[in-house]
Amino acid sequence: DSGVTQTPKHLITATGQRVTLRCSPRSGDLSVYWYQQSLDQGLQFLIQYYNGEERAKGNILERFSAQQFPDLHSELNLSSLELGDSALYFCASSETSGGARAKNIQYFGAGTRLSVL
Amino acid sequence: DAKTTQPTSMDCAEGRAANLPCNHSTISGNEYVYWYRQIHSQGPQYIIHGLKNNETNEMASLIITEDRKSSTLILPHATLRDTAVYYCIVRAINYGQNFVFGPGTRLSVLP
Repeated sequence: DSGVTQTPKHLITATGQRVTLRCSPRSGDLSVYWYQQSLDQGLQFLIQYYNGEERAKGNILERFSAQQFPDLHSELNLSSLELGDSALYFCASSETSGGARAKNIQYFGAGTRLSVL
Repeated sequence: DAKTTQPTSMDCAEGRAANLPCNHSTISGNEYVYWYRQIHSQGPQYIIHGLKNNETNEMASLIITEDRKSSTLILPHATLRDTAVYYCIVRAINYGQNFVFGPGTRLSVLP
């Protein structure tokens, strides 16, 4: 158990819909990362938050957005869903975003499997 | 793009050591080598990381060449539960940068 909790585990929805994926980081971790894993693309970094602020963006579509709340949990919002958005979505957390002594090991949750029909 | 090159797949007999190579010839002085694995469709699991010295923990050993251009992850006594995709990643340790995952090596531990 990594200590990172993602809900729901599975999500089935239709094209055009909007869904929200939730992530609770490990206790004390300030950074949250979102990754997408589809069959043809592998693990792709989407976005990172650190202590409530967006820190880095990767290959995140404009239809997707995220936020990190004061209690440090994070939500990934996916809207106008398309068939190609079907994938595993992973959240990871790490202890800190900076500092030469930080190990910055990312601990991953079990993921949310999104199926868009 | 990933900065590492790994074999696509490898087989290992149960109980034997599994040696997974990784080439990272363009590694910078401030970049560490991290290893993760992903069992089936579970979340990636941290294994080990290192800068230039060899490292060992309860899961594995990491051997980094002196020029740091390549490394080997060693699972000393592979079990069937070690069957997974293994990712070698190089990344600067500070500022919490995201990981760039390549395709990894699919290790199959055979009975």
